[in-house]
Amino acid sequence: GAGVSQSPRYKVAKRGQDVALRCDPISGHVSLFWYQQALGQGPEFLTYFQNEAQLDKSGLPSDRFFAERPEGSVSTLKIQRTQQEDSAVYLCASSKDRGGNQPQHFGDGTRLSIL
Amino acid sequence: QKEVEQNSGPLSVPEGAIASLNCTYSDRVSQSFFWYRQYSGKSPELIMSIYSNGDKEDGRFTAQLNKASQYVSLLIRDSQPSDSATYLCAVAGSGGSNYKLTFGKGTLLTVNP
Repeated sequence: GAGVSQSPRYKVAKRGQDVALRCDPISGHVSLFWYQQALGQGPEFLTYFQNEAQLDKSGLPSDRFFAERPEGSVSTLKIQRTQQEDSAVYLCASSKDRGGNQPQHFGDGTRLSIL
Repeated sequence: QKEVEQNSGPLSVPEGAIASLNCTYSDRVSQSFFWYRQYSGKSPELIMSIYSNGDKEDGRFTAQLNKASQYVSLLIRDSQPSDSATYLCAVAGSGGSNYKLTFGKGTLLTVNP
């Protein structure tokens, strides 16, 4: 596809359940990012991949959050033992090359609601 | 903690007017700055990037950067109702973390017909 694709668009889970969110970046994009956006806030950085290597995971809120990109394309963000404070929109973005100072292109996000 | 500050608004302008959106940032050595537009329930859409001091124009949009004042702005000329959205200012980190974007909370713009 032409843009970043995320699935599912909406996810409702009960507290304590595990969830997995998928991101399919723009074809050929080397860099992939996950962000968390709370209502009324700007996106906040979670983690960064360059190809299959996770170079920065400093923004992950706790060890319940785990992200992977095993083949350097599709990425999955997994949240274990979900809590109500995990409710947010999770955005994936990709950029063409490695390194920074480059525009990042966002998917439509997954809206996660924890009951 | 690197910070990016924006007026949350809402900023209301009449159709055809100039909308002026402002952003300040705390990391003095940041080099890259981006404006994103986000419609309700949609993803942030990149509309401008700016890397050097001065003005950069693209159609009805002009980004202005003043690194000495740590200030970046976005002007929208001939505002249209379709421009009504939240505008996010994003600043890239410096040095080895220049891939990491820090966003402001966004300014809600309403263009009234």
